[in-house]
Amino acid sequence: AQSVTQLDSHVSVSEGTPVLLRCNYSSSYSPSLFWYVQHPNKGLQLLLKYTSAATLVKGINGFEAEFKKSETSFHLTKPSAHMSDAAEYFCVVSDHSGGGADGLTFGKGTHLIIQP
Amino acid sequence: GAVVSQHPSWVICKSGTSVKIECRSLDFQATTMFWYRQFPKQSLMLMATSNEGSKATYEQGVEKDKFLINHASLTLSTLTVTSAHPEDSSFYICSAPNLAGFSYEQYFGPGTRLTVT
Repeated sequence: AQSVTQLDSHVSVSEGTPVLLRCNYSSSYSPSLFWYVQHPNKGLQLLLKYTSAATLVKGINGFEAEFKKSETSFHLTKPSAHMSDAAEYFCVVSDHSGGGADGLTFGKGTHLIIQP
Repeated sequence: GAVVSQHPSWVICKSGTSVKIECRSLDFQATTMFWYRQFPKQSLMLMATSNEGSKATYEQGVEKDKFLINHASLTLSTLTVTSAHPEDSSFYICSAPNLAGFSYEQYFGPGTRLTVT
């Protein structure tokens, strides 16, 4: 069984300041972890993914995340927020118990607000 | 990158009618596709796994007779909402994993917004 907990339903930061979106996971297997972003009325876009390689993962648009097995965390960060980052962010886990093609388990989402 | 399309992007139907939603992988073959639904301001919930050439597998609590899934080819899966009711109004999203290279990455369609009146 697998689950994802996004610790904050809303995060508000000022433009130009750092962003931290927190995610904890639970998985019976070695998981793959993802962060997706969903802008209003648009499809999901993959920001980055962890699949048992380097624990610090760099994604698109300046985002990165660090896989910490001891803390079962996969927090998403960005050094400097931009107005265009305002969106819904989902932390997602797949434990590959089905052999690779598995349905994903989504966190409840974190709504990122950027203050001008 | 891999592209997944959905059709229609939005649909309005009357209560009691059926609606078919298509999900296509445009530049890769997908023996497996997934269907999710997303209620307003909520997360995505996996509904079912669509398997090419065999029956779909449904998540607990999802009525298989109401949400009919057909995966007739390696690039197309369809979801039919039968006898739709207002509570079926939702955003339906499909995804397909591109297992080439075993990246475990799934590609999502843009979603279909269903409104049942």
